[in-house]
Amino acid sequence: AIQMTQSPSSLSASVGDRVTITCRASQGIRNELGWYQQKPGKAPKVLIYAASSLQSGVPSRFSGSGSGTDFTLTISSLQPEDFATYYCLQDNSYPRTFGQGTKVEIK
Amino acid sequence: EVQLVESGGGLVQPGGSLRLSCAASGFTFNNYWMTWVRQAPGKGLEWVANIRQDGSQTSYVDSVKGRFTISRDNAKNSLYLQMNSLRAEDTAVYYCARDPDYSSGGTYYDIYDLWGQGTMVTVSS
Repeated sequence: AIQMTQSPSSLSASVGDRVTITCRASQGIRNELGWYQQKPGKAPKVLIYAASSLQSGVPSRFSGSGSGTDFTLTISSLQPEDFATYYCLQDNSYPRTFGQGTKVEIK
Repeated sequence: EVQLVESGGGLVQPGGSLRLSCAASGFTFNNYWMTWVRQAPGKGLEWVANIRQDGSQTSYVDSVKGRFTISRDNAKNSLYLQMNSLRAEDTAVYYCARDPDYSSGGTYYDIYDLWGQGTMVTVSS
């Protein structure tokens, strides 16, 4: 199975900060990667698919980039509602695998 | 209303069985791949299984192969997960999610764009 490694595991940031989360695949996955946001006690929500395509209804402050093994999720200006845990998911091969998550906390 | 509603979770002893259901409404169920994702208490997300629109293709994570079976009944707009030989490590919230089978440039991408609220499965004696 392809391993997905996210960094950092957690970060503290302030409202208005630019935040970057990275995800590295154990082998090349082209651009077959998505990003999900999860708030406590809630189901995940898709933000990005195909590495850089913004899901309908998701604010434009979220963006994704990367291809091959290295990917990035960027929040250009962190908002109060963005404090959550973020996961990457590879859909290049089975079984699909998530990263371990990055918790974004309030500084 | 467009929604997915899981049911069937509960407390079961190790070695026991449980069948989860996911009822879909408000959209054309048989247009979508469907997926199960689980989350152990305090842990991250784990992809469990998925199934093609017509049920002809299924895939599983290695840890559940031979024990879990994903299925669907398009006439009832329902997805199922039959879980046998349950272990303590299967304890988790189980979510169902739909996948619109989006493609671009010849590549199909998973997009889990609608999720249920989750159902808790606890495996303990």
